[in-house]
Amino acid sequence: GAVVSQHPSWVICKSGTSVKIECRSLDFQATTMFWYRQFPKQSLMLMATSNEGSKATYEQGVEKDKFLINHASLTLSTLTVTSAHPEDSSFYICSARDVRSSYNSPLHFGNGTRLTVT
Amino acid sequence: QQQVKQSPQSLIVQKGGISIINCAYENTAFDYFPWYQQFPGKGPALLIAIRPDVSEKKEGRFTISFNKSAKQFSLHIMDSQPGDSATYFCAASNRGSTLGRLYFGRGTQLTVWP
Repeated sequence: GAVVSQHPSWVICKSGTSVKIECRSLDFQATTMFWYRQFPKQSLMLMATSNEGSKATYEQGVEKDKFLINHASLTLSTLTVTSAHPEDSSFYICSARDVRSSYNSPLHFGNGTRLTVT
Repeated sequence: QQQVKQSPQSLIVQKGGISIINCAYENTAFDYFPWYQQFPGKGPALLIAIRPDVSEKKEGRFTISFNKSAKQFSLHIMDSQPGDSATYFCAASNRGSTLGRLYFGRGTQLTVWP
């Protein structure tokens, strides 16, 4: 089945530093990947839509300069949390859909990255 | 504004019982309704999905019931097991949404007691 690999699975960083999270589609290509943020016992909040070869589309209220997204290839998207602060601590999850599939086909999720900023 | 409303927020069921989670939507353009299961510390995994041209879809112990006129759909878990304890999210999307973006409900935390 389609697999989305997310790395790292957890990371602890100091306030003010930057952290990069990778999202890879292992056995399919994806022109679009979605990045979510999830707080404990809450729903998934879409942060941005990553588009291969072009700029990401950010949801309202999400700071573009703080959450840098790069989708350099059909199998890799990265989210960089710049100048991280404790309030950025959260569970970040990416998802992707096979480029050959339609909009109403399964969206595959990575296993998430637990970010803790101290 | 929550595009998909989900209830209950939490649910406790005895082993062997039926778990029922309900969702409602307003956007009549939605035409794809998946359910995702998420275990703690993991990403969501697709459980089952339905399109509005059918009123019910069953896969093993999991059934989606869909009521197009009421704009509601629900997940039924028959013979619930402790291993089903997880958070369940309903979602919806439509052809016109950005690249197949999913709109998620708030989630239901299911606990199945042995």
